[in-house]
Amino acid sequence: EDQVTQSPEALRLQEGESSSLNCSYTVSGLRGLFWYRQDPGKGPEFLFTLYSAGEEKEKERLKATLTKKESFLHITAPKPEDSATYLCAVQAWESSGSARQLTFGSGTQLTVLP
Amino acid sequence: DAGVIQSPRHEVTEMGQEVTLRCKPISGHDYLFWYRQTMMRGLELLIYFNNNVPIDDSGMPEDRFSAKMPNASFSTLKIQPSEPRDSAVYFCASSLFSVLTDTQYFGPGTRLTVL
Repeated sequence: EDQVTQSPEALRLQEGESSSLNCSYTVSGLRGLFWYRQDPGKGPEFLFTLYSAGEEKEKERLKATLTKKESFLHITAPKPEDSATYLCAVQAWESSGSARQLTFGSGTQLTVLP
Repeated sequence: DAGVIQSPRHEVTEMGQEVTLRCKPISGHDYLFWYRQTMMRGLELLIYFNNNVPIDDSGMPEDRFSAKMPNASFSTLKIQPSEPRDSAVYFCASSLFSVLTDTQYFGPGTRLTVL
């Protein structure tokens, strides 16, 4: 069974204080690891997909990295508008050779104080 | 594109009543997913469709839940009869599969409260 564990559950940062969110996963055959951002009252918003260990992707103040066991979402010099819940999800290859389902972690609630 | 559209955005009903949630996926997408999100269990996949055909409904909690996709632009999730423990936010997501990408795009959700 695929498992995704995110830490910490909650993180409070001062504006400009860089930090990292962790996503540890157990999956039989990883096709992709996804990062989403979720604002209160809204649906998850896609950020990144990582497919292989060593891969990195960046978007503004966010950088996602992937190893064989975990992924990190690095936030550099965050701003209050970066406050949200960040969700990590894994997609595994199915026995049929297809890959559809996402297994989500419980998320990290990030608060950036001005 | 307008993105994934869900209706209603909020639904308050009494225990025992039938509830129908609606979803319009992004045009051209061939996969549609229904999720449920609660504080206790997080985001859980209920069922997903490929080209309007249900592929995996193993996440549907019980027979009170049913989902249909009569055409490529519309899906429903029905709960009959509803119970207080069904209270949650229900999300619909859609994706277009290719070898290079398989991103799911989520709708705004329907917040269901069963009294």
